[in-house]
Amino acid sequence: DTGVSQDPRHKITKRGQNVTFRCDPISEHNRLYWYRQTLGQGPEFLTYFQNEAQLEKSRLLSDRFSAERPKGSFSTLEIQRTEQGDSAMYLCASTYDREDYGYTFGSGTRLTVV
Amino acid sequence: SQQGEEDPQALSIQEGENATMNCSYKTSINNLQWYRQNSGRGLVHLILIRSNEREKHSGRLRVTLDTSKKSSSLLITASRAADTASYFCATYSGGYQKVTFGIGTKLQVIP
Repeated sequence: DTGVSQDPRHKITKRGQNVTFRCDPISEHNRLYWYRQTLGQGPEFLTYFQNEAQLEKSRLLSDRFSAERPKGSFSTLEIQRTEQGDSAMYLCASTYDREDYGYTFGSGTRLTVV
Repeated sequence: SQQGEEDPQALSIQEGENATMNCSYKTSINNLQWYRQNSGRGLVHLILIRSNEREKHSGRLRVTLDTSKKSSSLLITASRAADTASYFCATYSGGYQKVTFGIGTKLQVIP
């Protein structure tokens, strides 16, 4: 088990382009979370999945954002028509379906929109 | 929105000294967790304390929780240069099924 993997590590894109990030969680974990973190701030919740079901989406997640977790395995986060304000670190985490267990985070994908 | 608020926002100490970081939060919780983040990396889970616990230890870490004051503290004893990182508290409320992070304390340990 190599932990949570995120790909790519860095992404530079032009404003208006679409980008997609991938997260491979720890295989035994059935919960998967996406967070966004800007400089000097703590991670902010975007959305989470229990197995393949997307159970909650933050109001931060505009219509330009979509996330999937087909078959309850890896997850993708897509941002359409990127804006400069989307520049941030996008973090993925996974955990068990129990409240007394911490999250395992990936190294994140740093997105820069120019 | 950020649930927790860490204090201080930045802390600089000499190697070997103890570092104390505080966290205050707003709503009732099931547990509180502390994470470490090295610059530009993902977060690493350090320790979790349940709402019915008052103190917990893990190696050089000691966490306290006061639910009446809605506050927690993280003590790192005998700090090392490798402890230099940002530290975040995160609260878990069962109704939300997710952790909510504070803005973090940036710790610098000077060799």
